[in-house]
Formats: sequence, structure tokens, C-alpha cells
Amino acid sequence: DQQVKQNSPSLSVQEGRISILNCDYTNSMFDYFLWYKKYPAEGPTFLISISSIKDKNEDGRFTVFLNKSAKHLSLHIVPSQPGDSAVYFCAASVWTGTASKLTFGTGTRLQVTL
Amino acid sequence: DAGVTQSPTHLIKTRGQQVTLRCSPKSGHDTVSWYQQALGQGPQFIFQYYEEEERQRGNFPDRFSGHQFPNYSSELNVNALLLGDSALYLCASSFLQGTSYNEQFFGPGTRLTVL
Repeated sequence: DQQVKQNSPSLSVQEGRISILNCDYTNSMFDYFLWYKKYPAEGPTFLISISSIKDKNEDGRFTVFLNKSAKHLSLHIVPSQPGDSAVYFCAASVWTGTASKLTFGTGTRLQVTL
Repeated sequence: DAGVTQSPTHLIKTRGQQVTLRCSPKSGHDTVSWYQQALGQGPQFIFQYYEEEERQRGNFPDRFSGHQFPNYSSELNVNALLLGDSALYLCASSFLQGTSYNEQFFGPGTRLTVL
């Protein structure tokens, strides 16, 4: 049961353009949504998050949009830079009563070309 | 601040053997979570430890067990290894505050190969 889905395994964008990464979820109990970035041989690095009570959160070049009715979130990177090339994971958090549990999507590999 | 550290970096075992992976949390953190990341997949939650107790468990068999020590460091043990246990094992630490999301910081992982 894949509760968090990233349907695009890869995305290629030109430097300076906008990158849009998408994520869908099924569990309406998720209360936080996060994006992580992962380089090879490193652990995931937190990028940006959004609470389920908000619809937008912005941090520099990164903006996350949440559409609760569609159970969809997206990450916008503007402008895209070559250093943004990595695998991006969407994750969702739920408080189980005893712990905060993260559920990850399968990732989207972003390549930013010159 | 050393961040989250994990050891060893790589490990090769054969089917049926047992393995222990280790994690030291980021300074000031009291909660450790373990994840399994198979090739081409996202990390999957194994379990979370707080106050030396397992607080939440994902959909993993009892062959997967853990421990948290008084200094908050943690171990993940896997018994009777299967070929399908080959994966990157990630440890994440956080500071438990309230009943909502607490930011998790990940270590670099341990790459386990089962032959």
C-alpha cells in the first residue's frame, strides 16, 4: 500500500528554468509533508516542509504547495541550478500516538542541465 | 557538531547470518528512527526508539530488532539474513517535542549486501 507516490522517476530541466516535482498521497491523517534531497553516498537532507493546515511555504528558491482536496503536493525550484541535481523524496508524517512516523515516496531524480 | 553518524559504512554478509548496525544521534537529540532503503525505492520506516523503548514499528518481521542506550545511541540487529535484506540502512535522529512532526536528521547510511 503506497501511501505516498511520486509518479515521475526522473526529470530534466535547463539551468535557470523552473523545476516542478510532484507527489500524491492517500492518507488524510498526515499532518506534515516534507521534501528531502539525496546525493549518492549521503543520507537524505531536509529541504522544506509544510503543515497540513497551510497551502504554501516558501524558502528562498524552494516553494512547496499543498492541495489537500486533491491530496497533492508539489515542490517548485526557481531558478534551477546544476547543484540541485539529486534525487528528491517526498515524505509525509503522522503522529501515531507514541511516535512521529515518516512515509516516503519512491523519489524523483532531477537533472539540471547547462 | 558531528551530526548523525553510522557504522560500518559497508557490510557484506551471507544468508542466515546476523548483523548489527550502529547509530550515534546528533548532539541534543533523544529519538532514533531506522529506515531501510532498497534499490530504487524510498526509505521505509522500520522502528523508532525513545527513552530506550521501541515506540513505533513499521511493517517489518521480528528478525529486525533494536536497542537504544542511555546515551541515546542505537543499534539495529537483523537475524537470519535473507537476500532481500540487501539495502541501505538509514538512521535518523530527532528531538521529541509535542505530538507533531519533529525534524529528523539522517546519517549517511550503512550499505548491507547479503550474498
